[in-house]
Amino acid sequence: EAQVTQNPRYLITVTGKKLTVTCSQNMNHEYMSWYRQDPGLGLRQIYYSMNVEVTDKGDVPEGYKVSRKEKRNFPLILESPSPNQTSLYFCASSLNMAGVGGDTQYFGPGTRLTVL
Amino acid sequence: RKEVEQDPGPFNVPEGATVAFNCTYSNSASQSFFWYRQDCRKEPKLLMSVYSSGNEDGRFTAQLNRASQYISLLIRDSKLSDSATYLCVVNGKAGTALIFGKGTTLSVSS
Repeated sequence: EAQVTQNPRYLITVTGKKLTVTCSQNMNHEYMSWYRQDPGLGLRQIYYSMNVEVTDKGDVPEGYKVSRKEKRNFPLILESPSPNQTSLYFCASSLNMAGVGGDTQYFGPGTRLTVL
Repeated sequence: RKEVEQDPGPFNVPEGATVAFNCTYSNSASQSFFWYRQDCRKEPKLLMSVYSSGNEDGRFTAQLNRASQYISLLIRDSKLSDSATYLCVVNGKAGTALIFGKGTTLSVSS
């Protein structure tokens, strides 16, 4: 089954404790992206990757890191989480650059992160 | 002007009603337009792309007006299962990012 998976689905942590949210897709997609969704603010892009070893900042990259060492994986790293990073996080992938040629973005199921 | 703006909602309609959502976008260079559907606390899923000539998929009709930078979604004969948040989505700079509207919530009641 074609899908984007994220782990963990739910995480409660404390300020400053490094964490990684994994994202994997099995569709051989070039493009991957991380979003966060907050009430009243909608979905905002954190980082994206157009291919292996190619990553770039989205609209809200502060406090986050990513890597793309393999095509299928795109982990999101919070080196020192803070309470303002409490949010619902989505990973997404698409065959080509987001939206080009009507290309569909497929989203993972989301990771609900709480930073105390 | 915000990049993608949608009707604030929520829309509360009875089953069988016709409901329309509107969306405006600020980047005149945008080339790709979509409507995504998001159920409560779940991931967004593509509902339909929006083409220049307008397009229809069953009970759903999408329209694009490039001159006014305006997108619409019409849902006919609303079903209980249509209850969700509908996100207007437009591609951003150089096609590298999708810009999401904040969404409009639809609640269909029996």
